[in-house]
Amino acid sequence: GQNIDQPTEMTATEGAIVQINCTYQTSGFNGLFWYQQHAGEAPTFLSYNVLDGLEEKGRFSSFLSRSKGYSYLLLKELQMKDSASYLCAALSNDYKLSFGAGTTVTVRA
Amino acid sequence: GAVVSQHPSWVICKSGTSVKIECRSLDFQATTMFWYRQFPKQSLMLMATSNEGSKATYEQGVEKDKFLINHASLTLSTLTVTSAHPEDSSFYICSARDLSEDHNEQFFGPGTRLTVL
Repeated sequence: GQNIDQPTEMTATEGAIVQINCTYQTSGFNGLFWYQQHAGEAPTFLSYNVLDGLEEKGRFSSFLSRSKGYSYLLLKELQMKDSASYLCAALSNDYKLSFGAGTTVTVRA
Repeated sequence: GAVVSQHPSWVICKSGTSVKIECRSLDFQATTMFWYRQFPKQSLMLMATSNEGSKATYEQGVEKDKFLINHASLTLSTLTVTSAHPEDSSFYICSARDLSEDHNEQFFGPGTRLTVL
């Protein structure tokens, strides 16, 4: 099974940077996903890491360390529209996703 | 990009009735689709894996006789909540993998909000 841990809430100001950490304990790890979810909507894909290192995609970057069972999502130049829940999810070898509880990010003006 | 649709978007039903939710991959084929349930302020919990042409595999604690899954084609999976009760009220989301793509991304449907009175 999978055990995914991430902080419950984070608050930051517009234009700032926020880093959301995620630790996981898995059997049969096949990669780590980050999703954004607005209230009442389905998750939208942000990033996928399967190898160690940093993946950068515009204002969002994601990092993975397989040996440490650790990932983070970095949000730069925060905008009000970035206020949402961010879900860390580990993919198993049988392609099942196990989600963390989500981190609610609130961006303040 | 790959698109997954769900129907209906929301449904309100009386306790004891059955509700069918459809999940369709619109522009790709998917032998495997996944059904999740999300209660308010909680994360997505995998309910079952739907395999085209074979029986679904259910996660521990999910009653297969209550949540019937049919994956009759490469683009359609259905979830039927039988004899629904108020505790079944939740946000049901499906996802699908694109067979033609060599990556592990799952594409999510927009979700179906079920309210059982």
